[in-house]
Amino acid sequence: DVKVTQSSRYLVKRTGEKVFLECVQDMDHENMFWYRQDPGLGLRLIYFSYDVKMKEKGDIPEGYSVSREKKERFSLILESASTNQTSMYLCASTLNNSPLHFGNGTRLTVT
Amino acid sequence: AQKITQTQPGMFVQEKEAVTLDCTYDTSDPSYGLFWYKQPSSGEMIFLIYQGSYDQQNATEGRYSLNFQKARKSANLVISASQLGDSAMYFCAMREDSGYSTLTFGKGTMLLVSP
Repeated sequence: DVKVTQSSRYLVKRTGEKVFLECVQDMDHENMFWYRQDPGLGLRLIYFSYDVKMKEKGDIPEGYSVSREKKERFSLILESASTNQTSMYLCASTLNNSPLHFGNGTRLTVT
Repeated sequence: AQKITQTQPGMFVQEKEAVTLDCTYDTSDPSYGLFWYKQPSSGEMIFLIYQGSYDQQNATEGRYSLNFQKARKSANLVISASQLGDSAMYFCAMREDSGYSTLTFGKGTMLLVSP
């Protein structure tokens, strides 16, 4: 069974801090994704990666960057956290066109 | 324009009844896939069902079926014999096969099942 693990379930950070959200998958999936989920807005794609060291912007990349140095790990970076980045962050992975497998999410609060 | 529209912010249904959650989509890609996910209060996203644009028959998975009407660009989820454990947020999503494997999600429908 595919396992996508997000390193933190809850995170509280201060405005201006650099924040790292980590995601690891154990099924050798090529594609990995970062979404944020906000009430009334559904899930919105921030960044995705289809291979090691490759990254593509999603619909709302502003204020975020990503890193994929190894196939199994996809990191989301908030260079300077702001209060409007308070949200639930969901990582997902997939092989080719199979359904996305999601992690349990990281609820980030920026104060 | 929204690619995925879920017009029902919330739905109520009694246990053992059937319920339909609406989803319409917008794409000019001839090849695409439609997905439904369930998100209970625990927050995990659970894949329920998939329909490919070229599939001739409506997809079914246990109590879940997808009412796919291609000409109307709708992909409604039907849950038969609702259970209390079906109470959750439900998301419709689309993947356009001309691009990467990204999914575009709707805003979701909250389903509450009452005894």
